[in-house]
Amino acid sequence: DGGITQSPKYLFRKEGQNVTLSCEQNLNHDAMYWYRQDPGQGLRLIYYSQIVNDFQKGDIAEGYSVSREKKESFPLTVTSAQKNPTAFYLCASSFSGVRNYEQYFGPGTRLTVT
Amino acid sequence: ILNVEQSPQSLHVQEGDSTNFTCSFPSSNFYALHWYRWETAKSPEALFVMTLNGDEKKKGRISATLNTKEGYSYLYIKGSQPEDSATYLCAPSGGGADGLTFGKGTHLIIQP
Repeated sequence: DGGITQSPKYLFRKEGQNVTLSCEQNLNHDAMYWYRQDPGQGLRLIYYSQIVNDFQKGDIAEGYSVSREKKESFPLTVTSAQKNPTAFYLCASSFSGVRNYEQYFGPGTRLTVT
Repeated sequence: ILNVEQSPQSLHVQEGDSTNFTCSFPSSNFYALHWYRWETAKSPEALFVMTLNGDEKKKGRISATLNTKEGYSYLYIKGSQPEDSATYLCAPSGGGADGLTFGKGTHLIIQP
């Protein structure tokens, strides 16, 4: 079955620790994205990557880092510099190109930092 | 950051009634408008991607219209069913595979 997986579903960390969220897709999509959701807010774009070994900052990239070493994988690291890391994180992927393609979303990871 | 407004924020509708809600977005640098449905405990799922002014798309009882000149889109649900309960998100895009800027969504609850 093709799809996007995110792990783990729930993640707990102590303040000051970096944490990496996993996102893997087997849809053969070129582009991958990370979004964050907070209560009362829409999904906000953290980082996106249109091709392997390249990525761009989204609207709220501060305190986050990403890598795109493989087409299938786009891990997100939440660093200790992120002031409010507790949130629900969604990964998505899509085909890329001139046309606008719909994005496919993973199940999400809920991160709690105390 | 684009200013994307969705209204109303939440909506309670009786089963069987029809309903609609709005997405407003900047009309400049527009290429496409995405609609997603996000049911509780599931992932957001694409409903429509619309590009042409005056375009209308339909999927079962759900349809959407697009006005790119004035920067708005309507989503209509005919004969609401309990399974339509979800948050409906819209996101305009400037083309390509850039990330999307989503509105805060309309939270729809269908009451039996």
